[in-house]
Amino acid sequence: AQSVTQLGSHVSVSEGALVLLRCNYSSSVPPYLFWYVQYPNQGLQLLLKYTSAATLVKGINGFEAEFKKSETSFHLTKPSAHMSDAAEYFCAVKGGGYQKVTFGTGTKLQVIP
Amino acid sequence: EAQVTQNPRYLITVTGKKLTVTCSQNMNHEYMSWYRQDPGLGLRQIYYSMNVEVTDKGDVPEGYKVSRKEKRNFPLILESPSPNQTSLYFCASSSTIQDLTDTQYFGPGTRLTVL
Repeated sequence: AQSVTQLGSHVSVSEGALVLLRCNYSSSVPPYLFWYVQYPNQGLQLLLKYTSAATLVKGINGFEAEFKKSETSFHLTKPSAHMSDAAEYFCAVKGGGYQKVTFGTGTKLQVIP
Repeated sequence: EAQVTQNPRYLITVTGKKLTVTCSQNMNHEYMSWYRQDPGLGLRQIYYSMNVEVTDKGDVPEGYKVSRKEKRNFPLILESPSPNQTSLYFCASSSTIQDLTDTQYFGPGTRLTVL
């Protein structure tokens, strides 16, 4: 069985401040981990993914995430928030075989000018 | 342009009136899936298909049907919709079932309201 926990359903940061969105996973097999972003009234778009090649993963729009096996975490960060980063972010895990993906409950990021 | 399309984008209907939400992808993907998104619950998988004529239940299949007669299409059928099926629905596809690192591509969503 696999699961994902996203801490904080809403996160607010000031423009230019560090963005940190938390994700912890549970998987009985080595996981593949994903972060997706959903802008208002749109579908989900892949930000980045961990596929065991490197523990620090860089994605689009300046985001990155670090896989920490000892902490079972895959937190998403961005050094400096931009107004356009306001969206909902989903962490997801794949590890149960085939293409079964389990999503977290999402974190809405608000960027304050 | 590579994409997943869904129709309709918005739908208001009444309890018990059968409806179909279409999903089509132009990337020759084998794997397709339907999710529903509800506030505070994230995305939950309804049904998935690993190839033509191969479908299986996800986490919340009750009240839904699917079919996969062609590789590109994966319609979601609600034979007797109920208000608890009011939700935002997403179709997604990915290229192979073997590559677990493969990215899923999502459609734009269908917002369904059942009165």
